[in-house]
Amino acid sequence: DTGVSQNPRHKITKRGQNVTFRCDPISEHNRLYWYRQTLGQGPEFLTYFQNEAQLEKSRLLSDRFSAERPKGSFSTLEIQRTEQGDSAMYLCASSLRGGASEQYFGPGTRLTVT
Amino acid sequence: AQSVTQLDSQVPVFEEAPVELRCNYSSSVSVYLFWYVQYPNQGLQLLLKYLSGSTLVKGINGFEAEFNKSQTSFHLRKPSVHISDTAEYFCAVVGEYAGGTSYGKLTFGQGTILTVHP
Repeated sequence: DTGVSQNPRHKITKRGQNVTFRCDPISEHNRLYWYRQTLGQGPEFLTYFQNEAQLEKSRLLSDRFSAERPKGSFSTLEIQRTEQGDSAMYLCASSLRGGASEQYFGPGTRLTVT
Repeated sequence: AQSVTQLDSQVPVFEEAPVELRCNYSSSVSVYLFWYVQYPNQGLQLLLKYLSGSTLVKGINGFEAEFNKSQTSFHLRKPSVHISDTAEYFCAVVGEYAGGTSYGKLTFGQGTILTVHP
C-alpha cells in the first residue's frame, strides 16, 4: 500500500488551456473525493465517487470541470478553458467506505494559471 | 449544511509549552468531527476523530480533543509541544443525516498555523 498518489504535482498553464489531473487511490478503497484548497483556506469539497458512480458535485464545480472514475479505479479531473481563479491546490482522498471512514489524502496537484 | 470556524489563524508557542487550537462548528444535523494536520509539502493526515461515546478523544503524537455539544466546539490540545509539531491544523466535520446516512464529504475550517519556537 503506497497511499494515494496524484500526478502531476505541479502544473503551470496559460489561461484558456485545458488541464487534466490524475488521482490513484488506495487500491481497495471504494470512495474517492476531490477537494480544492486555495491559499489561506481549508480544503473545499468538489465531488465524490462511490466506485465508478459520481454521486455528488459541489456548486463550486462549474460546467468547465469534469471528473471521471472509469472502472472504479483511478480518477481524472479535467478543467477546460482555465481561468486565473482556478489556481489552487487540488486534493484527492480515498476511503474504504463513506460516512466517518478515514479519508487518506494525496499530496495534491498545485495548479497555476497565468 | 455544515460550517466550521477555527478561531485562530496563527498560534505561536514555545517548545514544551501547552497549546490549544480552537474549533467551533455549526450544523443542522449530528456530526462526526475530525482534526487533520498538514506538514509542509505533504498531504493531510488524520490526527483524531470523534464519532460517539466519550467526549475526550486521543489521537496520534500526543494530541487530544474534547467534544462539547452544548458549545458546538471541538478544541485540540497538547500538554507539551515539540518543534516537529509545527504545521497547519484543520478541523473538519461530516454530517450524519436521517437513518444514519452520511455521505462522507468533509467540511473544513480555515486552518490554524501552529509555529513552535525553540
